[in-house]
Order: sequence, then structure tokens, then C-alpha cells
Amino acid sequence: GNSVTQMEGPVTLSEEAFLTINCTYTATGYPSLFWYVQYPGEGLQLLLKATKADDKGSNKGFEATYRKETTSFHLEKGSVQVSDSAVYFCALFPSGGSYIPTFGRGTSLIVHP
Amino acid sequence: DTEVTQTPKHLVMGMTNKKSLKCEQHMGHRAMYWYKQKAKKPPELMFVYSYEKLSINESVPSRFSPECPNSSLLNLHLHALQPEDSALYLCASSPIDRSGTEAFFGQGTRLTVV
Repeated sequence: GNSVTQMEGPVTLSEEAFLTINCTYTATGYPSLFWYVQYPGEGLQLLLKATKADDKGSNKGFEATYRKETTSFHLEKGSVQVSDSAVYFCALFPSGGSYIPTFGRGTSLIVHP
Repeated sequence: DTEVTQTPKHLVMGMTNKKSLKCEQHMGHRAMYWYKQKAKKPPELMFVYSYEKLSINESVPSRFSPECPNSSLLNLHLHALQPEDSALYLCASSPIDRSGTEAFFGQGTRLTVV
């Protein structure tokens, strides 16, 4: 079956530090990959996505590149802000007709001023 | 309109009450989902409707009863819940017939069972 593995949190950083949250996946075929963000007390918002190998998704200074050879989709940001404090979920949508997403466990990010 | 709207935002109910959660989307998505989320955990899939028919029930207790009256609406009827059912309930929707697209989530209903 499909699975998504994320690094365990929480990740604690100072403002303006560099962020990496690792995500690897197992799936057959060519899934689409996503990062969702959940701010306290809210639902999940799509942060960025990539639908094929070597695609780079980007939004609000965050980036992730779909690496098929390493089955990875690591999230990066060059300079985090306090307002980036949230839980980040890596997810995949399988290819080939199934439309049920698979989520990683989530990684909590805490950014201190 | 790329919104999934859930009502109410907060709900407190006793263990003998009956209540309903509502979800609405107008994006033409033919897959709709209910998820349950506990604090600091990923969403757990409960039910999936495709073309208004229940296609997946992840062994959810019968005190949760989903309903899809039409292609825009999804309800979750609650009856005789337990305190451990307290959680954030998320609705989501996605296209079925388009690859490479994501699920759109509502803001959730924060349910407390007392």
C-alpha cells in the first residue's frame, strides 16, 4: 500500500533560520505529492504541490522538489518567521484511478523570535 | 469558489444528544470525505462518498452516520457519542476524474462530548 514518512517533530527554530522537513513516500506508479499546513485551531490548507518527477512546488517562500529517484519531497524555507509556526503534513494522491490521499504523521514547527 | 464550508465551527454535546455536522462545496467535486483529527495527529479517514454513494467506511462505529443528500452537501449525524469522540472533524472534497489535483479541506468542527 501507499505510505508517507515524515521526520518526527517538533522542529524548533529561531526566526530567520533555514528549515528542512523531510518527507519520503512509498507508492506505485506516479503519485502527486503535496504539503499541507495546519495553523492552530484551523483546518488543513494546501501549501504547495508537485504532480510529476522533478517538478518543484513553491508558495510563500516554501519549496519542495519531487525526487522520484529518492522517493522524497522535502519541504524547505530559507528564512522562517514566527508566523510559520504550525503543523506541516506531507501527503500523496495515488495515480491510476484511486483518489484517496495518504497523509504523513505531521511535523510541528515552532519558530521563536 | 474554492471553499469547503463546515458548520458549526464548535459543538458541545452530551452523550445522549443527537446532532449533525454539515459540509458544503460548490466546486463540482464528486468525492467528499469525513476525517477525524485528534490533537497533533494526522487526519484519520472515516468515510468517502463518490458520486453521492458511500464508497469507503473505515470501520467507523454506527454512532456516526454519514449522509450525502446531493453532490454539494455532506452531513455527519451524531448520536450517543462518547467522550473519546471529542476531536476536530474535517470535511474535504476532491475531483475524481482529474489526476494531479488536491483535496480541499474545510476549517473543521471542533466537537466536545461531555
